[in-house]
Amino acid sequence: AQSVSQHNHHVILSEAASLELGCNYSYGGTVNLFWYVQYPGQHLQLLLKYFSGDPLVKGIKGFEAEFIKSKFSFNLRKPSVQWSDTAEYFCAVPMDSSYKLIFGSGTRLLVRP
Amino acid sequence: NAGVTQTPKFQVLKTGQSMTLQCAQDMNHEYMSWYRQDPGMGLRLIHYSVGAGITDQGEVPNGYNVSRSTTEDFPLRLLSAAPSQTSVYFCASSRGPVSGANVLTFGAGSRLTVL
Repeated sequence: AQSVSQHNHHVILSEAASLELGCNYSYGGTVNLFWYVQYPGQHLQLLLKYFSGDPLVKGIKGFEAEFIKSKFSFNLRKPSVQWSDTAEYFCAVPMDSSYKLIFGSGTRLLVRP
Repeated sequence: NAGVTQTPKFQVLKTGQSMTLQCAQDMNHEYMSWYRQDPGMGLRLIHYSVGAGITDQGEVPNGYNVSRSTTEDFPLRLLSAAPSQTSVYFCASSRGPVSGANVLTFGAGSRLTVL
């Protein structure tokens, strides 16, 4: 069965700092990977997704993620964070049937102005 | 398009009371699901449905019932609320199996407190 883990539970950065959030998944066949973001008081929104092709995936708001098959990782990056990036970030992978998503425990990012 | 609509946004219950969280989508999505979000645990799947009349259990189904009589609606019922069900509940839908074209769309959430 698929599983996903996020090791950074809380991250605090100053504006303009670079960001990298870790995500590791267990191998279960075809790899599909997602990053969702939840801004304070809001619902989850899709940030980016990987299904095939270029392992470097560009998302919204300047975020990107790199799929590294040998490391079972899909880390989220942003070169320069802004205060408005303060949110909780979730990595997710579909279960075997592909109807259901398994989410990591989330990483709370606080960006200080 | 309204997308995925959840009601109520906030609810306070006493232990043992029953209630229904409503979820409706206007995108003609076949797949609908309910998740609960708890601090440090991410989102956990409660129940899901792959079409009208078809439902199945997720990771944490105990204490919850669902039904899917129409494509649009997927209510979540708590028959006898317990404090352990205090959580934020999210409904989500997609056109089909998760793929490059089909992603989960989430509702705004329902915050439930059980005293």
